[in-house]
Amino acid sequence: DVKVTQSSRYLVKRTGEKVFLECVQDMDHENMFWYRQDPGLGLRLIYFSYDVKMKEKGDIPEGYSVSREKKERFSLILESASTNQTSMYLCASSLLDRPSNYGYTFGSGTRLTVV
Amino acid sequence: AQTVTQSQPEMSVQEAETVTLSCTYDTSESDYYLFWYKQPPSRQMILVIRQEAYKQQNATENRFSVNFQKAAKSFSLKISDSQLGDAAMYFCASGSARQLTFGSGTQLTVLP
Repeated sequence: DVKVTQSSRYLVKRTGEKVFLECVQDMDHENMFWYRQDPGLGLRLIYFSYDVKMKEKGDIPEGYSVSREKKERFSLILESASTNQTSMYLCASSLLDRPSNYGYTFGSGTRLTVV
Repeated sequence: AQTVTQSQPEMSVQEAETVTLSCTYDTSESDYYLFWYKQPPSRQMILVIRQEAYKQQNATENRFSVNFQKAAKSFSLKISDSQLGDAAMYFCASGSARQLTFGSGTQLTVLP
C-alpha cells in the first residue's frame, strides 16, 4: 500500500521555537508539496518541490522554509514558530506528469499548536 | 493564478438521497485536471473522482459522478444513494501534477 507518512500527528511547540515537520513517501514520486489547512480557507500551498534539492514558493511561504535532500523526504521548517502558524499541515506527493491517473497522495496531517 | 470556489460551506442530505456539491474554478491553463477529494474525521484526504478537462464525458465512480461544464468553469459532484460513511469535508481542486489549487471545502452531513 503506497504511503505518504508525516512524522507527527499532533505537535505542541512554544513561540520562537524552530519546528521541523517531516514527510516521507515510498512511491518514488518526483513532486512533493506542503499545504496548510485552516477552516474556511481550504488548503493553501506553502512550498513545493519537483526534484531533489529543488524548491519553489507557493502561495503563503512567509515564515516557512523547506528541505529536500532525498527524493523521498520533504521537510517543512518553521524558523521561529508563531501563534498564527497554529494549523493543520498536510504533505502530498504526485508523479511528475500523471495527475489524471493518480492525483495527489496525501499524508494524514500534522496538527501543530504554537503556544 | 488559479482560483477554486465552493460556495456551500455546509450541506446535509438524508441517507439514501442524492446531493450535489458545487464548485467553480478559474484558470488560464489550457491543459488541466479537476478533482474531488474527501476528508473524513480521520483527516486522511481520499481521492473521490477526477476529470481531464479535455474530455467532454463526465466522470463517474460508482455512486459519485460529476457535472463538468467547461465553458461555465463548473465542476459539481453528485453523490447518489448517500451513506453515513459519505459524511466528510469535500474539497474541489483544479490544476496539474505540478500544482493543485483547492477550494475552501464543503462539510457534508448525512442524516440517518
